[in-house]
Amino acid sequence: EAQVTQNPRYLITVTGKKLTVTCSQNMNHEYMSWYRQDPGLGLRQIYYSMNVEVTDKGDVPEGYKVSRKEKRNFPLILESPSPNQTSLYFCASSLNSGGTQYFGPGTRLTVL
Amino acid sequence: AQSVTQLDSQVPVFEEAPVELRCNYSSSVSVYLFWYVQYPNQGLQLLLKYLSGSTLVKGINGFEAEFNKSQTSFHLRKPSVHISDTAEYFCAVSVGDDKIIFGKGTRLHILP
Repeated sequence: EAQVTQNPRYLITVTGKKLTVTCSQNMNHEYMSWYRQDPGLGLRQIYYSMNVEVTDKGDVPEGYKVSRKEKRNFPLILESPSPNQTSLYFCASSLNSGGTQYFGPGTRLTVL
Repeated sequence: AQSVTQLDSQVPVFEEAPVELRCNYSSSVSVYLFWYVQYPNQGLQLLLKYLSGSTLVKGINGFEAEFNKSQTSFHLRKPSVHISDTAEYFCAVSVGDDKIIFGKGTRLHILP
């Protein structure tokens, strides 16, 4: 089954404790992206990747890092999480930026 | 800078009535346009997209949208809504730098 998986689905952590949210897709897509969803703000793109070893900043990259060492994986790293990063995070993949994006189920992160 | 404006944050409509959800964008270059739907407690899925060609685009679940270049709009319509259409709808734009920008979303409430 074609899908995008994210782990963990739920995470409660404390300020400053490094964490990684994993994202994996099995559709051989080149384009992958991370978003955060906040009430009243819609989805905002954090980082995107056009292909392996090619990443670029979206609209809200501050406080986040990503890497794309393999085509299928695109982890999101929070080196020092802060409470304003409490949000619902979605990973998505598509053939390219003009293609249909397939979204993962979301990761609800709470930073205390 | 490119932006997407969804003019209504919430739209109440009676069951079996028609609905239009409005989306305007600003961009000086050619864009790809999308509508995504998010059902309660789920991820996003594609309703329809415009890449090129016919300006009237048909999507899933009876939805359609019309691309109007002169008005920079991409409004979503359905002639008769059902209770199962209750969801949040997001308009999105992909521009030349491969970023994807989402609107803030419109919550569609179906009234019995």
